[in-house]
Formats: sequence, structure tokens, C-alpha cells
Amino acid sequence: GDSVTQMEGPVTLSEEAFLTINCTYTATGYPSLFWYVQYPGEGLQLLLKATKADDKGSNKGFEATYRKETTSFHLEKGSVQVSDSAVYFCALSPSANQAGTALIFGKGTTLSVSS
Amino acid sequence: DAGITQSPRHKVTETGTPVTLRCHQTENHRYMYWYRQDPGHGLRLIHYSYGVKDTDKGEVSDGYSVSRSKTEDFLLTLESATSSQTSVYFCAISEPESISTYSSYEQYFGPGTRLTVT
Repeated sequence: GDSVTQMEGPVTLSEEAFLTINCTYTATGYPSLFWYVQYPGEGLQLLLKATKADDKGSNKGFEATYRKETTSFHLEKGSVQVSDSAVYFCALSPSANQAGTALIFGKGTTLSVSS
Repeated sequence: DAGITQSPRHKVTETGTPVTLRCHQTENHRYMYWYRQDPGHGLRLIHYSYGVKDTDKGEVSDGYSVSRSKTEDFLLTLESATSSQTSVYFCAISEPESISTYSSYEQYFGPGTRLTVT
């Protein structure tokens, strides 16, 4: 079945460092791909999305490109801030023809940024 | 932010007691979901709804039931709570942009309910 695998954390970085969180997926059809962020004590917030191959999603300095050839959707940011400390989840929506089905989530990667 | 509220936000209950969690939305989205979040498991779908009185089971539905009598409300009931149901519960909503090959089915999440079963 469809699945998402993301790198294990925690990831610990200094402020202004470059961030990469790897995400790969297994899916059939035309999945949409997402990154969500969860700050302590809060729900998940949609960070960015991509709906087809080679699309680049971007938001708040974060970027991810939908790579169908490598089945990947890695999250990157050029210069992290302390306020980026959170848990990041990669997710996919299995198929455009299955409206209402659950998102499939990776297990989450905890990012900790120190000043 | 999407208008989604969950109540209660925190609850402690005893094994064997019934518990109902409520999700309320003001976005008029057709689809609503209940997930649970546990360390090492990410988020897992419990039940979802695709319209008033239309619901279906998710990956981890055993021990849970749901009801949706109005578009805006989706209730999750633990008929007889067990310690294994201690978790953080999230409600989510979605409304497809359009039915096409590249539609986006992102979901928007509520703030969560932390449930402890002792």
C-alpha cells in the first residue's frame, strides 16, 4: 500500500544553518504531497504542498519539489531560525480520484534550532 | 486559519467510562476526519465522514464510533474507554478544489484533544 518514509530525528541545528528533511513515498496514481508543521501543544498546520511531478511548493522560506523519478519530496530551508523548532510531517493524499481518503503521514521529524 | 474547534481540549477519564469528543467547523467543508497521534506512529485515521450521516472506518477504528448529524459537527465516541486509547485526538476537514487528476486534497486540522484514560 501507499506509504511515506521520512528521516528519523531529532535534527539539531544552529540558527542560520541549512535544513534538509528527507521524505520518500510509495504510491500509485497521482498523489498530492504535503508538508505539515506542528508546534508544541498545537495542531498540524499545512506548510506547503505539490500536486504533480516537478511542482515546487514553498512557504515561509521552506521549499520542497515533487520528484516522481526518485519518489521524493525533501523539505529544505536555506537559513533556519529558532522559531522553526517544531515537528515536521511529510504526507500524501493517495489519489485524486479518492476524495475524502485519509492522508498518509510519515512519523514526523523533530527539529530543534539553537541560537 | 480554518475555523475548527475541538472540545474538550483536555480530559482525564477512568477505564470503562464512555467519552465523547466534539469537532466543530465553520468552513462548511464536506469531509471530516478523526485521527489519533501517538509517539512513533505519527497520525492514524480512526473514522471519517463524507457528508451528513455518511461515515466510514479508518485504519484504527476498533473501540470508536462516530456520528455526524450536521455538516458542522463530527463526534467521536469511545463507548468504554481503555488505557490504550490514551492519545491526542485531532479532527481535520477538507473540501476538494475540483475533481480532476491534479486536485489537491489537503486537510486542515483542529487544535487537538489530549485524552488520558486511567
